[in-house]
Amino acid sequence: IQLTQSPSSLSASAGDRVTITCRASQGISSYLAWYQQKPGKAPKLLIYAASTLQSGVPSRFSGSGSGTDFTLTISSLQPEDFATYYCQQLNSYPRTFGQGTKLEIK
Amino acid sequence: EVQLVESGGGVVQPGGSLRLSCEASGLTFSGYAMSWVRQPPGKGLEWVSHIGASGGSIYYADSVKGRCTISRDNSKNTLYLQMNSLRADDTAVYYCATDSSLRGWSHNDWGQGTLVTVSS
Repeated sequence: IQLTQSPSSLSASAGDRVTITCRASQGISSYLAWYQQKPGKAPKLLIYAASTLQSGVPSRFSGSGSGTDFTLTISSLQPEDFATYYCQQLNSYPRTFGQGTKLEIK
Repeated sequence: EVQLVESGGGVVQPGGSLRLSCEASGLTFSGYAMSWVRQPPGKGLEWVSHIGASGGSIYYADSVKGRCTISRDNSKNTLYLQMNSLRADDTAVYYCATDSSLRGWSHNDWGQGTLVTVSS
């Protein structure tokens, strides 16, 4: 299953609302996770089951979608949110990640 | 606090072998499925392999199938990845991660990674 994220990169300002999309090449129900990765660090789980916020993750992050189309929304960007974001399908093996979306400061 | 500590990375010549280890603490290791995920320098994440909690279910990415073997020793709280016939495109940081059944099998805990460099 291929995952296509868009955009590949995004420039935004603190306080902006941003949305990242992830499209699967076939239906994956709600078996999708979102991760945040900062340079030199391991990825961090943000959302699982497409829309469930991982414990400790700020509520400005939200996820939606099912089937083939998914979104990650950050309602009001904070300075610490500038990072790279990846989606991952957990519907079947081999697991696959999207190519990533780099969120940069405008 | 869950801790996953990878080791075993290094520089190896093409065609060579390495065994990566991931020692876990702060969790009941035998109750968790585990995965390896890698990231080539400056590139995205690639899932590599999965092993069930008891070692009974194993899956590999096509890119490593036949060259890598995942295993675990629950008595030592340790996950392994034996890598053979290494190629330049295996160069990456290798992370071990838990597979959380309570979180849709997503990877909740990650190690800090170990760098594998395949170069002559």
